[in-house]
Amino acid sequence: SYVLTQPPSVSVAPGKTATITCGGNNIGSKSVHWYQQKPGQAPLLVIFDDSDRPSGIPERFSGSNAGNTATLTISRVEAGDEADFYCQVWDTTSDHCVFGGGTKLTVL
Amino acid sequence: EVQLWESGGGLVQPGGSLRLSCAASGFTFNTFAMNWVRQSPGKGLEWVSGISASGGATYSADSVKGRFTISRDNSKNTLFLQMNSLRAEDTAVYYCAKHRAAVTYPSDYWGQGILVTVSS
Repeated sequence: SYVLTQPPSVSVAPGKTATITCGGNNIGSKSVHWYQQKPGQAPLLVIFDDSDRPSGIPERFSGSNAGNTATLTISRVEAGDEADFYCQVWDTTSDHCVFGGGTKLTVL
Repeated sequence: EVQLWESGGGLVQPGGSLRLSCAASGFTFNTFAMNWVRQSPGKGLEWVSGISASGGATYSADSVKGRFTISRDNSKNTLFLQMNSLRAEDTAVYYCAKHRAAVTYPSDYWGQGILVTVSS
């Protein structure tokens, strides 16, 4: 089955840029979506189709996808961005939805 | 405003059954695929099952195949998850989520989740 690999944790100082990666075999050929989940809350879609933002998501959130790595970038990080982030794809081989293991973003 | 409200969770013994429901409002239910995603305590998100807008196509994770069945009643704007032969490892918060379109699209709205605990 298709596997998505994320770093368990990323730390960043306020105002700096956070980069969260999502690795997968030829992931660049798939559409990657990103979710933010704060403690006790349901996930929130922040990026879809590699780099599109849903209405209401700040421009500080951006995404890219090429080769074997998709990346979520959060610019000018704020304390309120602290959360778990998950990447997700649809694997057409298995007809399964696949989530990465999640990355905890800590704002120092 | 899109709203998804899960119900039917609770404590069940291993080997038992439970049926989750998700009442939807604020969108044309019969034109969007839906899915269930779960999260075990302290763990990450795990996709459980998905269903097409019409209900004619369903998809399930290997971990629940043969035990869980997803279905929908478009006349009542409700999504279901029938869970049989429950195991301790099925203990999780279960989220109902709406796809942007078909099951291959991301989930743009999520319910608040409902806890299922499998324990003797």
